[in-house]
Amino acid sequence: DTGVSQDPRHKITKRGQNVTFRCDPISEHNRLYWYRQTLGQGPEFLTYFQNEAQLEKSRLLSDRFSAERPKGSFSTLEIQRTEQGDSAMYLCASSPSHLYGYTFGSGTRLTVV
Amino acid sequence: GENVEQHPSTLSVQEGDSAVIKCTYSDSASNYFPWYKQELGKRPQLIIDIRSNVGEKKDQRIAVTLNKTAKHFSLHITETQPEDSAVYFCAAEFRNEKLTFGTGTRLTIIP
Repeated sequence: DTGVSQDPRHKITKRGQNVTFRCDPISEHNRLYWYRQTLGQGPEFLTYFQNEAQLEKSRLLSDRFSAERPKGSFSTLEIQRTEQGDSAMYLCASSPSHLYGYTFGSGTRLTVV
Repeated sequence: GENVEQHPSTLSVQEGDSAVIKCTYSDSASNYFPWYKQELGKRPQLIIDIRSNVGEKKDQRIAVTLNKTAKHFSLHITETQPEDSAVYFCAAEFRNEKLTFGTGTRLTIIP
């Protein structure tokens, strides 16, 4: 499969717990993006990487959120001390560079109870 | 700031008719404008895109037009079919080289 893979597909966690999501982009894509999508809304930017460098992090993102792309390949998104407001679909996407459309993964649906 | 407005939020058309979705953007320096289709429970998929040096692009029943002066772009779907029913998102790439998405249009094709 040469698409963008995300794991897990679904995650249910109790409020206050930490969660970590993984994204494997298309191998030749330098750029990797994390977006969040809630029901009825468009994807909302969280952060993005060019190779292993994190180039921007949304100001909407609290300090509880952190992302890494240690070797410029896969990426992880961690949410610490989850809150009910974190419940959403977390989408990962990759692209060969800017000015090219993203290829999205299937997302990780997080439910905080 | 970076802003993309999309209209309408819902659209119903008879099968075989055309559908048009419109978006406006805030930054005149934006130069890349993709459109995504998202079916229920699935990932957004790129269906067509346009760059600022082009005014119109067509791919079979789908076309996108761009008016840089007015800072708006539109998606046109002709001869609509039931499988065109989905949520459509426009997006624009701003100076910081990431996409900002519109709020989506739920398109329903009535058989």
